[in-house]
Amino acid sequence: KQEVTQIPAALSVPEGENLVLNCSFTDSAIYNLQWFRQDPGKGLTSLLLIQSSQREQTSGRLNASLDKSSGRSTLYIAASQPGDSATYLCAVARGGADGLTFGKGTHLIIQP
Amino acid sequence: KAGVTQTPRYLIKTRGQQVTLSCSPISGHRSVSWYQQTPGQGLQFLFEYFSETQRNKGNFPGRFSGRQFSNSRSEMNVSTLELGDSALYLCASSPSPSGGDGYTFGSGTRLTVV
Repeated sequence: KQEVTQIPAALSVPEGENLVLNCSFTDSAIYNLQWFRQDPGKGLTSLLLIQSSQREQTSGRLNASLDKSSGRSTLYIAASQPGDSATYLCAVARGGADGLTFGKGTHLIIQP
Repeated sequence: KAGVTQTPRYLIKTRGQQVTLSCSPISGHRSVSWYQQTPGQGLQFLFEYFSETQRNKGNFPGRFSGRQFSNSRSEMNVSTLELGDSALYLCASSPSPSGGDGYTFGSGTRLTVV
């Protein structure tokens, strides 16, 4: 059974810092990995999708990497801003019977 | 381009009742998946429909069911509601089944069972 772990569970940093969120998964047989952000009480906003054949994806100040063989992904946020405060979730798709498997998320607070 | 639309946004139901939630996917998307989010369990997969057929189902009791219509809109039904069914229910759509092209999520339906 696929398990996804996100470290740290919570993070509070001052504005302007670069930061890294970590995601690990136990079964490397994945289709892709997707990073989402979730604001309190809201749905999920897709940030980046990395297919299993890719090593990284970039969108603005965000960069996500994927090392499928070691079961790891990182989300790098450059020059953090208070508007980046949210919960960040990673999820893997195996293409099988269990849909997306999510981690518990990293709750990020960017202090002004 | 309209996103994924879930209705209603909020629901309050009494134990033992049943409830139906609705999801309209992005135009052209034929896959609709449903997830339950609770503080304790996080996000858990309920089921996925593609072209009106249930493809996959998560580990939930038979009280949770769904269907998909020919226009790809999907409904989820929960019968004999329990207090533990209180959660945020999220719907996701994708062009292809099993997440090959990634998912786009709706804003969710907040269900409270009293």
